[in-house]
Amino acid sequence: EPEVTQTPSHQVTQMGQEVILRCVPISNHLYFYWYRQILGQKVEFLVSFYNNEISEKSEIFDDQFSVERPDGSNFTLKIRSTKLEDSAMYFCASDAGETQYFGPGTRLLVL
Amino acid sequence: QKEVEQNSGPLSVPEGAIASLNCTYSDRGSQSFFWYRQYSGKSPELIMSIYSNGDKEDGRFTAQLNKASQYVSLLIRDSQPSDSATYLCAVFRNSGYALNFGKGTSLLVTP
Repeated sequence: EPEVTQTPSHQVTQMGQEVILRCVPISNHLYFYWYRQILGQKVEFLVSFYNNEISEKSEIFDDQFSVERPDGSNFTLKIRSTKLEDSAMYFCASDAGETQYFGPGTRLLVL
Repeated sequence: QKEVEQNSGPLSVPEGAIASLNCTYSDRGSQSFFWYRQYSGKSPELIMSIYSNGDKEDGRFTAQLNKASQYVSLLIRDSQPSDSATYLCAVFRNSGYALNFGKGTSLLVTP
């Protein structure tokens, strides 16, 4: 069964560094998303991406964040100048219409 | 902002019993509702979606929607210890397909 994949599974970085989180959505899906979940808190929407552009973003998704689909398969989330509060699990999701399928997540720890 | 409210629990039920999980939402215009299951440290996994008032059954799971009361629930029949997880209720955010999640209800099924 097709699935969303994410790399790396874990990333540790120093405050102020840039990180890039990678996702490979399900191949025939058209909509891509990033969510985050701070430990013990709810899953929060960051951004959605359709037809090579951002279709919606939350108030969390400020200038520190950017997304890109550099080729036909990868979907990336870049976090510039990471802060301690960026430590969270980051989930990528994709869908072909309404049912979103989530990847396993990248656990980001900012020290 | 379309808010989703859930009792955080934990809800404890004995094995074989029916577990009832509840969710309320703030936007009367919401049309699509989703239940996800999340095991600790894992990504959300879709259990069911429901769009019309009434009940929708899938195996041991039944979703119930009451749009007049802005209430959606999930019943799990013949609960198993493997059902122990956090159950997330979600609705579409706005005009797109991004999701707003509730904080989730923790379910513990005791042998």
